[in-house]
Amino acid sequence: KNQVEQSPQSLIILEGKNCTLQCNYTVSPFSNLRWYKQDTGRGPVSLTIMTFSENTKSNGRYTATLDADTKQSSLHITASQLSDSASYICVVSAKGSGYALNFGKGTSLLVTP
Amino acid sequence: KAGVTQTPRYLIKTRGQQVTLSCSPISGHRSVSWYQQTPGQGLQFLFEYFSETQRNKGNFPGRFSGRQFSNSRSEMNVSTLELGDSALYLCASSIDGTGVSGANVLTFGAGSRLTVL
Repeated sequence: KNQVEQSPQSLIILEGKNCTLQCNYTVSPFSNLRWYKQDTGRGPVSLTIMTFSENTKSNGRYTATLDADTKQSSLHITASQLSDSASYICVVSAKGSGYALNFGKGTSLLVTP
Repeated sequence: KAGVTQTPRYLIKTRGQQVTLSCSPISGHRSVSWYQQTPGQGLQFLFEYFSETQRNKGNFPGRFSGRQFSNSRSEMNVSTLELGDSALYLCASSIDGTGVSGANVLTFGAGSRLTVL
């Protein structure tokens, strides 16, 4: 069964600190992995998309890594800001016919002053 | 460039009623997909439409239905509402016909928050 597990479920950090969110998946055959940021009361916004051949992708202070061998991804946030407070959702796509998006339940991040 | 627009943003219904939600995708996007988001289950896929045809469907009961119009706008309908249908309903659009399993960015709307009393 295709599954996406995210950890931690929630995280509180001080403004200016770095943090790393984890995503482990069992989706096969793998197509791509996406990280989304969802602010409270808003829809998710895409941060990165990585395919099998990519192991690092950055978007400003956000850096995603992918290890397709161990089926793990991480999202590293550098020099956190209050506006980083949000839910971060990992989404893994499988190849093949039909709908193939598998969603993690998200990590809720709170950045405090 | 306008984003994905969902209406209404908030609504309250009672058990047994039905509801229709609307989604206008980004201009030029032909694929529209719908999701239910609850605190316990996270995002769950409902269905995807492309060129007025339902291309994929998730594991939801038949009370959940949708359609897409020739201008790519989409609606979803939930009949005989239950308390458990209370959720944020999100739609997302993507640009082309390779489907959501391709490396196409999904652009989400802000959602319609449904409360069933």
